[in-house]
Amino acid sequence: AQTVTQSQPEMSVQEAETVTLSCTYDTSESDYYLFWYKQPPSRQMILVIRQEAYKQQNATENRFSVNFQKAAKSFSLKISDSQLGDAAMYFCARSMDSNYQLIWGAGTKLIIKP
Amino acid sequence: EAQVTQNPRYLITVTGKKLTVTCSQNMNHEYMSWYRQDPGLGLRQIYYSMNVEVTDKGDVPEGYKVSRKEKRNFPLILESPSPNQTSLYFCASRVGGLKWTEAFFGQGTRLTVV
Repeated sequence: AQTVTQSQPEMSVQEAETVTLSCTYDTSESDYYLFWYKQPPSRQMILVIRQEAYKQQNATENRFSVNFQKAAKSFSLKISDSQLGDAAMYFCARSMDSNYQLIWGAGTKLIIKP
Repeated sequence: EAQVTQNPRYLITVTGKKLTVTCSQNMNHEYMSWYRQDPGLGLRQIYYSMNVEVTDKGDVPEGYKVSRKEKRNFPLILESPSPNQTSLYFCASRVGGLKWTEAFFGQGTRLTVV
C-alpha cells in the first residue's frame, strides 16, 4: 500500500522551544514531491514547506525546516522558536503521479504551551 | 486575490436529498480535486480533473459525482447522501503537470447527513 505515516497523533512544546514532527512514507516512484501542510482551527489548509525528492538539499522556510532522508523514506518537520500561532494540525503528504493525487498522513496535533 | 472558493461552509441535510457543493478558482489552474477529511484518516481524494471535461475517480468516489464544464468550476454532487458521507470536504486546485507545485485549498465544507 502507498501510505504516509505520522506516528505522533499529538505533540506539545513550550513556546520558543524547538519541536520535530515525524513522517514516513511508502513509494515505488523514483521522483516525487513531499509536503507539510498546516491546518489551524479555521480549517484552512496552508502550505508550510515543499520538498522535491530528487533534490538532496533539505528545504527551509524561515523557522520551518525538514530533515529529508530519501533512502529511509523519512520526511520530518522541525519548527524552531515555536510560537503560539504555530498551534494547529500538521499534515504530511506526498505526490502520487499514477493517479495525480496527494497521499496524506493522519495528522499531528501540535500544542504550544505559553 | 488568488483563491479557491467553496460554498457552503456548513451544511446539514437529510438522507437522500440531493446536494451540490460548489468550488471555483480564479488562478486559471488546470488541475482540480475534491478530498474528504475524516479524523484519523487524513485527507482522501474523491475525484480529480486534469482539465475541462476530463475527470477521474480518486480513492473514495462511491456516492459522489463531479463535472468540469468550465476551467474555473468543479462542483461536487451527492445524488443521494447517506450518513457515512458526513465529513469535512475540501476542494483544491494547482497548476497542471507532473511538477507538483503548491495546491491551493478552499475553506472547507462541513457536511452533516442525518
